Amino acid sequence: SAVISQKPSRDICQRGTSLTIQCQVDSQVTMMFWYRQQPGQSLTLIATANQGSEATYESGFVIDKFPISRPNLTFSTLTVSNMSPEDSSIYLCSVTRGGGEKLFFGSGTQLSVL
Amino acid sequence: ILNVEQSPQSLHVQEGDSTNFTCSFPSSNFYALHWYRWETAKSPEALFVMTLNGDEKKKGRISATLNTKEGYSYLYIKGSQPEDSATYLCAPYNTGNQFYFGTGTSLTVIP
Repeated sequence: SAVISQKPSRDICQRGTSLTIQCQVDSQVTMMFWYRQQPGQSLTLIATANQGSEATYESGFVIDKFPISRPNLTFSTLTVSNMSPEDSSIYLCSVTRGGGEKLFFGSGTQLSVL
Repeated sequence: ILNVEQSPQSLHVQEGDSTNFTCSFPSSNFYALHWYRWETAKSPEALFVMTLNGDEKKKGRISATLNTKEGYSYLYIKGSQPEDSATYLCAPYNTGNQFYFGTGTSLTVIP
């Protein structure tokens, strides 16, 4: 298993501001994933963060809006930039122990943008 | 992006009823199929990882089957309990090393 600490757990932000979400894993992992769940929707993959290289973004997500850092094998951040109410979602980081192995999730960040 | 479909979208059952949901996914480049349970205010939690055609997994009252040739998986819950209330997500994992979640089935078990 994996223990993943994610913070903040929730935040209420003003339109136009940015929020950085942090994710700390209890052991080294190659890939970290960032997901979003908008109200009424399922989990959508935003990007895959690999240590030592730029994150790989899914269609519809761009680095300018969701910059990701991965400074080492146990930590990653996701920034939601220039927020609008449409960014109100639950954001989750997750890791896998190996190819095809199950995902372990952080506790999530509930973001509300006013 | 994989097209993953789950049905039904939501389900209300009485306590003690048995129920099942469906996950449909592209069968090409298949590597594994995951089922997750996501309870309100908690993180998604893995239920099963299935890899072989014909696989059947069981965990207590919950079981799942897999058909990789036709691209579907069923999740069964026997004798539903209120604590089974959650959203159940399936996520195929292909050789592209990525997970794509279905839209989920929201289950409510009425005491």
